[in-house]
Amino acid sequence: DIQLTQSPSFLSASVGDRVTITCRASQDISTYLAWYQQKAGKAPKLLIFAASTLQSGVPSRFSGSGSGTEFTLTISSLQPEDFATYYCQQLNSYPPTFGPGTKVDIK
Amino acid sequence: QVQLQESGPGLVKPSETLSLTCTVSGGSISTYYWNWIRQPPGKGLEWIGYIYYGGSTNYNPSLKSRVTISVDTSKNQFSLKLSSVTAADTAVYYCARSIYYYYGLDVWGQGTTVTVSS
Repeated sequence: DIQLTQSPSFLSASVGDRVTITCRASQDISTYLAWYQQKAGKAPKLLIFAASTLQSGVPSRFSGSGSGTEFTLTISSLQPEDFATYYCQQLNSYPPTFGPGTKVDIK
Repeated sequence: QVQLQESGPGLVKPSETLSLTCTVSGGSISTYYWNWIRQPPGKGLEWIGYIYYGGSTNYNPSLKSRVTISVDTSKNQFSLKLSSVTAADTAVYYCARSIYYYYGLDVWGQGTTVTVSS
């Protein structure tokens, strides 16, 4: 299986901050990467697919980049509703695997 | 818009079979990929498998010997069966849709908690 790591595991930030989360794959996954946001007690929500394509309805403050083995999710100006856990998922090889998550908390 | 809703027993005994159903509303199940994902308490996400509308399936090798996913197009539902469960199978189980496999899981059910305990 392809392993994904995320950094940091936890970050504390303030409203208005620019936040960047990194996802690294154990092998080349081209751009077959998705990002999800999960709030406590809720199902994950798709934010970005194909590494950089914004899912319909997702605010433009979210953006994704990268290819190969290193990817980033950026929130340009953190809003109160963005405090959540973020997961990356690779879809290059079966089985599709998820990263361990990055929890974004309020400073 | 398409909505998904999981249903099934919240408590399953060890060694028995976990059975869940996902009902699709607001759209037809006769297209796209229909997935099951689970999340143990306080942990990350694990993809279990999918069924494609044509009936073909793909399972996580770590669970393949115990998993069956099937579809009932007449009821607009798809189902998960996981046999020989243990406490390690205790999790929130989600159903989710992929329009195109490589584009991720764009619609999710709210999830249902399944506890394995005697």
